This record gives sequence, structure tokens and C-alpha cells, in this order.
Amino acid sequence: QSVLTQPPSVSGAPGQRVTISCTGSSSNIGAGYDVHWYQQLPGTAPKLLIYGNSNRPSGVPDRFSGSKSGTSASLAITGLQAEDEADYYCQSYDSSLSAPVVFGGGTKLTVL
Amino acid sequence: QVQLVQSGAEVKKPGASVKVSCKASGYTFTSYDINWVRQATGQGLEWMGWMNPNSGNTGYAQKFQGRVTMTRNTSISTAYMELSSLRSEDTAVYYCARGITGIDIFYYYYYYMDVWGKGTTVTVSS
Repeated sequence: QSVLTQPPSVSGAPGQRVTISCTGSSSNIGAGYDVHWYQQLPGTAPKLLIYGNSNRPSGVPDRFSGSKSGTSASLAITGLQAEDEADYYCQSYDSSLSAPVVFGGGTKLTVL
Repeated sequence: QVQLVQSGAEVKKPGASVKVSCKASGYTFTSYDINWVRQATGQGLEWMGWMNPNSGNTGYAQKFQGRVTMTRNTSISTAYMELSSLRSEDTAVYYCARGITGIDIFYYYYYYMDVWGKGTTVTVSS
């Protein structure tokens, strides 16, 4: 049971726009802590995709964007491409004592 | 370029310990935390803990308290994660990742991981 909740899967056709949600609580996203997103291509390590809710590291296409509101955050991917097929994870900081770094359960994006 | 190079795959018996290394290059090792995150096959990411390579201070997820130890050797820019009393459920890929921390424009603390190692597969089997 992940602290942050993501849909297990989303799908879209090439060229379409998809969004992935990430829902937290008052001890993490709702407390104001930033949300970050990682992309994990099959068989590889996670890669930072979005940091600080909406910032892209150098080299990440502007087709990827992030936003945050209240206790939730979203990752949007426009102009879907075959190479976007991957697992996506959100991550934030949590003020609870059990684990300050928390992840969502991950969302598998399928490009139809 | 900034990179983290991890040690090779391990096979251990239940009850044993495993020690995974993570060698940093391309940046000042003592300037950034090293985190350890694991992923069982077909499962999500699970944060295990962090270590400040400068001070050696550590913080562990409650789930791993008493079983995990994170250390470093600053002379060779290498971090280590040792997990003891292994059980089959510890079979996973273990990643090290560099931590970035700060305060945003609204004065909220943030923490994320910007560079990841390729992972070390640990198999626990009798």
C-alpha cells in the first residue's frame, strides 16, 4: 500500500494527450511538499522526469509537464510517442516518522 | 559526467547479509545525500533510507530499522548499503540515487533524486 496513490495503468494512441494522477494526504502533498516524477523504461533504472512539481531537467522534452493542486498532482504527456511507454512514479516528502521519502505505486503507460 | 556505479549481482541464503556498493563520480561526493531504493520484480519503488556522505548521518525507513546500515568511504567516493537477516521478500533490485534537497519559493522543503545507479540485483534463496 503506497502512501501516494496512482492509477495502475493508463493508455493512449500516438499523438494523444494522457494524464497520470498522484493523490496524497495532509502529511505530504497537502502539507505543501513538492511532487517529483520519474520515468522507468522497461529493464532500466528510474530517471528524473519532473522536479519541484513542474520543472523539467535538461534534456526532458516539453511534451512532459507537471502540476500540483491541494493534495494531488498530475503528470501530463502530450503528443504521445511509442518511446513514452514506461512506468511512471510520483514522489514527495512526508512529515510522518515512518519514511520521509514516499513514492506512488506507479502507473504503467501503454501507447496503443 | 555525474554517475553512480553499483556493484554486481548477489545471491544470498536466508539469514545472511548483503553489502552493496555505489561509487560516485563526476561531482563532489560529500556534497549530496545518497539514497537507497529497492524494487521487487513487478513492484513499485520502495525508499529504504538516506545517508549524508559528509557527516555520515543516516535516516532509515521504519520498515528497515535494525536491519539496514548505510556507510561510506569518502576517500574512494563510495557508499554502501548492508541489509542483514535476509529473507526471500528481500529479493529485489537495489538502487542508489543522489539526493537533492532545498527550500522552494513558498518555503516548503523538497527532496528528490536526480541521478540513479543502474541497480544491483539481490536474490535471496535457499
